[in-house]
Amino acid sequence: NAGVTQTPKFRVLKTGQSMTLLCAQDMNHEYMYWYRQDPGMGLRLIHYSVGEGTTAKGEVPDGYNVSRLKKQNFLLGLESAAPSQTSVYFCASEATPDEKLFFGSGTQLSVL
Amino acid sequence: AQSVTQPDIHITVSEGASLELRCNYSYGATPYLFWYVQSPGQGLQLLLKYFSGDTLVQGIKGFEAEFKRSQSSFNLRKPSVHWSDAAEYFCAVSTDKLIFGTGTRLQVFP
Repeated sequence: NAGVTQTPKFRVLKTGQSMTLLCAQDMNHEYMYWYRQDPGMGLRLIHYSVGEGTTAKGEVPDGYNVSRLKKQNFLLGLESAAPSQTSVYFCASEATPDEKLFFGSGTQLSVL
Repeated sequence: AQSVTQPDIHITVSEGASLELRCNYSYGATPYLFWYVQSPGQGLQLLLKYFSGDTLVQGIKGFEAEFKRSQSSFNLRKPSVHWSDAAEYFCAVSTDKLIFGTGTRLQVFP
C-alpha cells in the first residue's frame, strides 16, 4: 500500500520556468492538500480540494495553481517560478476533515 | 483568527528523561487539536488528536497530551524518551482549516 506518493522528490528551476508537482493517493480519500514548509514557519496551506473536480485557496495560494481531474491525483503547478518559492512541498490526504492526514515524503524545490 | 504557538524552537534531552513539548492556541471556542511528528526527510505522521471528552489523550509511540482549557494549552508528554524520538514535532489546531505551529525540534543525547 503506497499511501501518498509525490513526484519528483527534488527539482531545481531557474526563475521564470514552470513545473508541475504530482501527488497521487491510493486510499480513495476525498480531501487533498498542498503545503509548503519553510524554516521557522511550519507548514502553510497552499491549496486544497474537497473532492474530484474541486479546488480552493489556502493560506498562501499566490503563484500556484492546482487541478484535481481525478480523485486520486492532485497537481500543483508553478507557472513562473520565483526564488521565494524555494521550499519543501508536501501533499497530504484524508478521508474526512480532521480525521488523520496522510503525508507524502515531500518535494524539495530550489528556484535559482 | 485561530493561531497556534510552539514556544520552544529546539529542545535537547537525554535518553530516558521525561519530555514535555508546549503548545498554546488562540481561538474563542475549543478547536480540534493535533500533534504530528516529522522524522528527517519524511512527511508528517499523526501522534494523537483531541476533539472532546477526556482531556488526557493517548497517542502512538508512548506519547500523551493534555488539553487545558484554562491555559489554552495542549502539551505533549512522554515519560521516557528514546533516541528514535529525535524529530520535529508540530502542534496543529483546526476550526475550519488546519493550522500548524512552527515546530519544535527534539534532539536526544545518549
